[in-house]
Amino acid sequence: DTGVSQNPRHKITKRGQNVTFRCDPISEHNRLYWYRQTLGQGPEFLTYFQNEAQLEKSRLLSDRFSAERPKGSFSTLEIQRTEQGDSAMYLCASTDTGYSTIYFGEGSWLTVV
Amino acid sequence: DAKTTQPPSMDCAEGRAANLPCNHSTISGNEYVYWYRQIHSQGPQYIIHGLKNNETNEMASLIITEDRKSSTLILPHATLRDTAVYYCIVRVPNSGGSNYKLTFGKGTLLTVNP
Repeated sequence: DTGVSQNPRHKITKRGQNVTFRCDPISEHNRLYWYRQTLGQGPEFLTYFQNEAQLEKSRLLSDRFSAERPKGSFSTLEIQRTEQGDSAMYLCASTDTGYSTIYFGEGSWLTVV
Repeated sequence: DAKTTQPPSMDCAEGRAANLPCNHSTISGNEYVYWYRQIHSQGPQYIIHGLKNNETNEMASLIITEDRKSSTLILPHATLRDTAVYYCIVRVPNSGGSNYKLTFGKGTLLTVNP
């Protein structure tokens, strides 16, 4: 296994621009999660997919955020009209059918200037 | 909300055992105790998990009290690379309910000193 892969690792964008992050989960993991983490805080849950179905969204996921997992494999997290408050690390994680151990990627850092 | 309580920080000398406590007094019978750690600027790394018996793997040992209201993560010979934030999380691993996901608190910042 190559682990959970996230791209890009770092992104600097101007306020108002759109950004997209990609996550490739561990092969054959059908459950995928997105988290957000700001400095000094633990990761906060954003959304969860089982295969291609988005089954839960946190209230942290405003209308400017959209996540997809079109074929039940990789996932994308798009932030439209970025704001400075969106600056954070966005983490992707995956697990298998048994809801067993959840494995995280290295995260994608977003800085909105 | 996180269901666990951890000290915000701890220090440990390099080469000594690091014992990280966690209180989970409201844990349910089917909830497991999971430990993750996060080294600065990296994603959380799974360490170990257990239900009621003590567990050991290549990274650490997990000691869960008989009443399951608290646990201790033990790093037997801490190194400088073990400096990280350690998170204790309770979760039902095989559930489609609200406990399926990990809910993080602020964890314990363990600093291993030379």
